[in-house]
Amino acid sequence: NAGVTQTPKFRVLKTGQSMTLLCAQDMNHEYMYWYRQDPGMGLRLIHYSVGEGTTAKGEVPDGYNVSRLKKQNFLLGLESAAPSQTSVYFCASRPPGQGINYGYTFGSGTRLTVV
Amino acid sequence: AQSVAQPEDQVNVAEGNPLTVKCTYSVSGNPYLFWYVQYPNRGLQFLLKYITGDNLVKGSYGFEAEFNKSQTSFHLKKPSALVSDSALYFCAVRDISSNSGYALNFGKGTSLLVTP
Repeated sequence: NAGVTQTPKFRVLKTGQSMTLLCAQDMNHEYMYWYRQDPGMGLRLIHYSVGEGTTAKGEVPDGYNVSRLKKQNFLLGLESAAPSQTSVYFCASRPPGQGINYGYTFGSGTRLTVV
Repeated sequence: AQSVAQPEDQVNVAEGNPLTVKCTYSVSGNPYLFWYVQYPNRGLQFLLKYITGDNLVKGSYGFEAEFNKSQTSFHLKKPSALVSDSALYFCAVRDISSNSGYALNFGKGTSLLVTP
């Protein structure tokens, strides 16, 4: 099925460990986003990408790095995980430009716990 | 910056009664507004969006939203609530700045509980 796929779905890390979350989309979308969801805070933008090879910081980028080496994949990395990064992470994608008639497609999320 | 606010953390309604989940916005220019729903342990599902035109927008699962420019509101409504509508609802506005890649800015979410 076409859409946005996130792996893994669940993960438990120890403080200081590193990991990479993968977001893959098969809709040929240019724009991709990483959000984190925390209770009472909604979804906050971590990083985004407007095309292959480009990334930029969002609202809460500290402690995260991203890469977009291939158009279909957007990777979110945690180099040294901290308990404050315990959250649910969502990836989203959309077609290019300012056109609003195209929607944002969200993945099903990755639930990360850092102990 | 474009932003939305959801003033209620939780809304309780009896099954069969009408429901309203409130959202107000603060934007420069014309807003592009969205509603999403999140069921427990699931991802976000698109309900509806307002771009321009008719102030009453109809969406999925019998939901609709009314855009009110004078009150800067975009409240989500349903004439008759179902227990299965119990979920977390998010209002969002598209950022107008290319500096965010036109990302969606979300409200904090409103938990809807529909009781039998």
